Amino acid sequence: DVKVTQSSRYLVKRTGEKVFLECVQDMDHENMFWYRQDPGLGLRLIYFSYDVKMKEKGDIPEGYSVSREKKERFSLILESASTNQTSMYLCASSYTGAVQETQYFGPGTRLLVL
Amino acid sequence: AQSVTQLDSQVPVFEEAPVELRCNYSSSVSVYLFWYVQYPNQGLQLLLKYLSGSTLVKGINGFEAEFNKSQTSFHLRKPSVHISDTAEYFCAVSASGGYQKVTFGTGTKLQVIP
Repeated sequence: DVKVTQSSRYLVKRTGEKVFLECVQDMDHENMFWYRQDPGLGLRLIYFSYDVKMKEKGDIPEGYSVSREKKERFSLILESASTNQTSMYLCASSYTGAVQETQYFGPGTRLLVL
Repeated sequence: AQSVTQLDSQVPVFEEAPVELRCNYSSSVSVYLFWYVQYPNQGLQLLLKYLSGSTLVKGINGFEAEFNKSQTSFHLRKPSVHISDTAEYFCAVSASGGYQKVTFGTGTKLQVIP
C-alpha cells in the first residue's frame, strides 16, 4: 500500500512565524502535491512537483513556497504565516504526471495561525 | 479550463436507503473523472474513476457512478448505505492532453442516519 505521511496532524503558530509542513511518500512516486482544504471551497492546489528540484505553481501559490530536495519528500513553507492561512493542508502523490493517475493523500495537517 | 460542481453540500439519508450524490463538470476537451472519499480525520482516498470505455464505473464499498457526456454529469450512487459511509465525498476532473492538474469540487457531506 502507498503511504503518504505528514509530519504533524495539528500545528499552532503565531502570525509572522515561518512554518514548515513536511510530507513523505514511500512509493517512489514522481509527482507530489500540496492542497489546502477549506469548508465550502473544497481542495485548492497550492503547488506541485513533478521531479526533484522541480516545482509548478497551482491555483493559490501566494504566500507559500515549496522544496523538493529528495524524491520522497515535499515540503510546504509559509514564509510569514498569516491568520488567513489557517486551514487543513493535504499532501498527495501520484506515480506519474499522467492526467488519469490516482492521487494518494496523507492524513492532513490542521494549521491554526493566531 | 475545467471545473466541477457539486450542487449538494450536505445529504442526509437513512441507513439502508439509496443515495445519489450529484456532480457536473465542464471542460472544452475530453476529461477523466474521479470520486474521492474523506472519512473523518483522514485524507482522501479514491472511490472510483472514469477513464474511457463503459460509462458505468464500479468502485469500492459498493459505490458506482455513471458518466453522462451529454449532460456533463458523473453522479455517484449506492443502493443501500451504511453508517460507515458517513464521510465527505469529492468529485474531481482532469482534462486530457495536458499535464496532471486535477480540479476538485467543493465536496458533499453524506450523513447516514441510523
